[in-house]
Amino acid sequence: GEDVEQSLFLSVREGDSSVINCTYTDSSSTYLYWYKQEPGAGLQLLTYIFSNMDMKQDQRLTVLLNKKDKHLSLRIADTQTGDSAIYFCAESSANAGGTSYGKLTFGQGTILTVHP
Amino acid sequence: SAVISQKPSRDICQRGTSLTIQCQVDSQVTMMFWYRQQPGQSLTLIATANQGSEATYESGFVIDKFPISRPNLTFSTLTVSNMSPEDSSIYLCSVGGLAGAISTDTQYFGPGTRLTVL
Repeated sequence: GEDVEQSLFLSVREGDSSVINCTYTDSSSTYLYWYKQEPGAGLQLLTYIFSNMDMKQDQRLTVLLNKKDKHLSLRIADTQTGDSAIYFCAESSANAGGTSYGKLTFGQGTILTVHP
Repeated sequence: SAVISQKPSRDICQRGTSLTIQCQVDSQVTMMFWYRQQPGQSLTLIATANQGSEATYESGFVIDKFPISRPNLTFSTLTVSNMSPEDSSIYLCSVGGLAGAISTDTQYFGPGTRLTVL
């Protein structure tokens, strides 16, 4: 079955860049997502990357995808204290026919702590 | 995206009782899902709520414990039955298949219901 792994903790200083890493196993994933969960809140869709892309940039966020190694990363430039949250990567799960049936598999989440 | 609301936002319940959680979306969606997030853990999919038919449960989850309804394309309920302290979790609904979304996979989440069972 699908498996998604993330490092559990990351601590950075305000103004530095943060890099959160994720590995996945399902080579048929079509989209890979990053979600952010602030304390006491639901999950907010942060960004995504299509599986045929290597990189996607969205303001302070850069997503890199190494499909050969099944490695995904999220870089946050100029990290702020408001970026402190749990970040989940998620992959879409395709059925045997290769078409998606809407399910996502989530990693364990990376707790990002930003120090002033 | 869509506006997704859940009720209640939190509750404290006694063991042996049941709680029904509601999820409401402001537009019609193809898919609705229910997840459990135990303290300090990731999300685990409980079931896919199917409109007009029985929900599709994931391994380890059964209808008797987590009955789900989905009477239309904008509303679903999850009941946590005969609760025990092990059911203390955040329960989240999500929706997929939104018109104009990135893909049919893309899921948007409600704010969650924080349940504590004593």
